[in-house]
Amino acid sequence: GAVVSQHPSWVICKSGTSVKIECRSLDFQATTMFWYRQFPKQSLMLMATSNEGSKATYEQGVEKDKFLINHASLTLSTLTVTSAHPEDSSFYICSAYDRGSTDTQYFGPGTRLTVL
Amino acid sequence: SQQGEEDPQALSIQEGENATMNCSYKTSINNLQWYRQNSGRGLVHLILIRSNEREKHSGRLRVTLDTSKKSSSLLITASRAADTASYFCATDGGADGLTFGKGTHLIIQP
Repeated sequence: GAVVSQHPSWVICKSGTSVKIECRSLDFQATTMFWYRQFPKQSLMLMATSNEGSKATYEQGVEKDKFLINHASLTLSTLTVTSAHPEDSSFYICSAYDRGSTDTQYFGPGTRLTVL
Repeated sequence: SQQGEEDPQALSIQEGENATMNCSYKTSINNLQWYRQNSGRGLVHLILIRSNEREKHSGRLRVTLDTSKKSSSLLITASRAADTASYFCATDGGADGLTFGKGTHLIIQP
């Protein structure tokens, strides 16, 4: 089946630093990728929709200047958490649509961000 | 945006028993999906049921969909300890990303 990878798996950083998370579709091309955030013991919340070659669409309440998304190619989307603070600590998961299948999203393994 | 809600929030059963989880949503959908998430891990796609389908099977999983009641159920038969996880339903209304419910935490006791 289709595989989506994320890098890094986990990251611990100091408050004020920026963290970049990569999401790659390994064996298929994804024109659309999604970024989700999951706080402890809560459900996933969609943050933004990332379309290759265009600006990301952010969900209400998500700061686009804080969570920078770049989808430069059909296999890579990046999420940069700028000037991270402890409240940004969360589990970030990306997903990607296989161009050959419009119904199923394939999820990455997630990245756990801890901001000290 | 639409939101799925699962119930119960938590469920503990003995190994070998069947586990049933329910999901309700609010608006029209193209399909509904169920995912499993082990603690601290990413999501694993279990099954997708389209809006024109009423029931679907995959191994020990059985999913039903009632679009008139805007609800779905996930049945896991002959549960195993390895089934212990959180289960989420997610609705797909079109071009947007999935909308997840709050999840059901399932514990299978040996």
